[in-house]
Amino acid sequence: KNEVEQSPQNLTAQEGEFITINCSYSVGISALHWLQQHPGGGIVSLFMLSSGKKKHGRLIATINIQEKHSSLHITASHPRDSAVYICAVLEGNLIFGKGTKLSVKP
Amino acid sequence: NAGVTQTPKFQVLKTGQSMTLQCAQDMNHNSMYWYRQDPGMGLRLIYYSASEGTTDKGEVPNGYNVSRLNKREFSLRLESAAPSQTSVYFCASSENGRNSPLHFGNGTRLTVT
Repeated sequence: KNEVEQSPQNLTAQEGEFITINCSYSVGISALHWLQQHPGGGIVSLFMLSSGKKKHGRLIATINIQEKHSSLHITASHPRDSAVYICAVLEGNLIFGKGTKLSVKP
Repeated sequence: NAGVTQTPKFQVLKTGQSMTLQCAQDMNHNSMYWYRQDPGMGLRLIYYSASEGTTDKGEVPNGYNVSRLNKREFSLRLESAAPSQTSVYFCASSENGRNSPLHFGNGTRLTVT
């Protein structure tokens, strides 16, 4: 079974900072998802990617298939970005990481 | 556009009681899922339905049953609740299987005493 590791577990940043959240997995996959879980509990899909890079607004997701690694970047972070960010890899079923809790201070 | 609607939002059960969690999506998606989320663990798949008329077990199916009532609705039933089933439950849907983005409901917080 794929092991999905996210780092860091917790991250505190000042508003405006550039943020990077990492996701590593152990076995080859067909796709990787990045999700955002709001403080109220709701979960939103941010990206699904199988190669290269995707960008949406201030969010950028990259994946390196050879190194089994993906990163989620947030540029010009804002307090409303405070949430838990979850990586999930597709190997048969989706296997989820435990999440990275981000807190952005004004 | 409602997306994925789950009910109830909160529920407290006594050990041995039964209940059904309801989920409906209005996006004409083929695939639907039930996950549970426990502290310190990633989301885990309970059951899924790849398309109307089919259901399959996920990683943690014991103690649960599901019904894909039609294309819109996918319910999760606990026949005899146990304290180990205390969790937050999420329903999700995707257009076509796991290679499509997931759309989640708002979750049901279940406590079994």
